[in-house]
Amino acid sequence: GNSVTQMEGPVTLSEEAFLTINCTYTATGYPSLFWYVQYPGEGLQLLLKATKADDKGSNKGFEATYRKETTSFHLEKGSVQVSDSAVYFCALSAPNQAGTALIFGKGTTLSVSS
Amino acid sequence: DTGVSQNPRHKITKRGQNVTFRCDPISEHNRLYWYRQTLGQGPEFLTYFQNEAQLEKSRLLSDRFSAERPKGSFSTLEIQRTEQGDSAMYLCASSPTGASDTQYFGPGTRLTVL
Repeated sequence: GNSVTQMEGPVTLSEEAFLTINCTYTATGYPSLFWYVQYPGEGLQLLLKATKADDKGSNKGFEATYRKETTSFHLEKGSVQVSDSAVYFCALSAPNQAGTALIFGKGTTLSVSS
Repeated sequence: DTGVSQNPRHKITKRGQNVTFRCDPISEHNRLYWYRQTLGQGPEFLTYFQNEAQLEKSRLLSDRFSAERPKGSFSTLEIQRTEQGDSAMYLCASSPTGASDTQYFGPGTRLTVL
């Protein structure tokens, strides 16, 4: 079946450090891949997405590249800020899933200190 | 542009009571999804609607769970005879026609069953 595995947290970094959050997936067909972010007390927000192999999604300094050969979609940012502290979810939607329902990983908590 | 709204934001109930949550999607979004999120986990898909038609409900957790979207606009999720294991965050998301894999989430309703 379809599934997403992401690195467990918490991830604790100092401001301006480099961030990588690993995400790998299992899916039949050609899924779309997403990163959602959940700031404290707020709802899930789409951070970026990629819909086909080798696509790079980017937003707010975050990037992720759809790697079909390694079934990965790792999230990276070159210089994190305190305001990036949040929970990050990797997700996929596969064409054989009902209504393109999203399958989520368990989430990775990022804490950035100044 | 108002986002997805959910009411109530918090609900505390006693075991055995029925509860109903409401979701108002972004205007003109024809797809509406319900998810459940428990502590430390990613959201789990429950059901979805295209307009007023409920096209997938096999993932609803038990026959105590039901959802409606009578006029293709707002939706309700009802849980009958609540159990302590139903305590969770219930999330609603909507997506526009033609971009059905980009889902926009509401802030969620947090249910606590005592």
